[in-house]
Amino acid sequence: DAMVIQNPRYQVTQFGKPVTLSCSQTLNHNVMYWYQQKSSQAPKLLFHYYDKDFNNEADTPDNFQSRRPNTSFCFLDIRSPGLGDAAMYLCATSRAAGSYEQYFGPGTRLTVT
Amino acid sequence: KQEVTQIPAALSVPEGENLVLNCSFTDSAIYNLQWFRQDPGKGLTSLLLIQSSQREQTSGRLNASLDKSSGRSTLYIAASQPGDSATYLCAVTLTGRRALTFGSGTRLQVQP
Repeated sequence: DAMVIQNPRYQVTQFGKPVTLSCSQTLNHNVMYWYQQKSSQAPKLLFHYYDKDFNNEADTPDNFQSRRPNTSFCFLDIRSPGLGDAAMYLCATSRAAGSYEQYFGPGTRLTVT
Repeated sequence: KQEVTQIPAALSVPEGENLVLNCSFTDSAIYNLQWFRQDPGKGLTSLLLIQSSQREQTSGRLNASLDKSSGRSTLYIAASQPGDSATYLCAVTLTGRRALTFGSGTRLQVQP
């Protein structure tokens, strides 16, 4: 039973063409996270939502934005993708912040041509 | 700034061998530590979660230990199998933070 679902699994976009990645969860968790993982690197947090409270990491480029219209869904918008934005994008959830386990989706691999 | 290091970066062992993966972190003020598995091109699968008050967790052939005072964790895999081949990542949640800080992983290859 899928708990954290990401769509699409693979996304190809053109340089500068806006793209949206989707994440949904069936766990009813309060916190949703977006991580970026480039090839052979550790995942890096972009931002997260605690309920409707948006929290941006200081070094996340302005090119990346996020929306969380309800508890179940969270979107990652890349306004003008560059070649350097090609990566695996991982969505995760946790019941609350701090000591709670994080559950990850299968990821979306983004290619920029 | 919390740094998480995993050694070795890559490991190749014959099937059936017991093995240990190492993780170290610089700031001992953590909520918990998680070990993940990642298959090539895939997302992360959580293996074990150790709270800061715990010393170890076990799941099947996996055993993870945590020594917060020395900033170390180990993941022990017993009787390794080719299906265990993957990258293993450790990550900590720093006290007062909500996000995980990851190590770069250990790429494990179990030879049949």
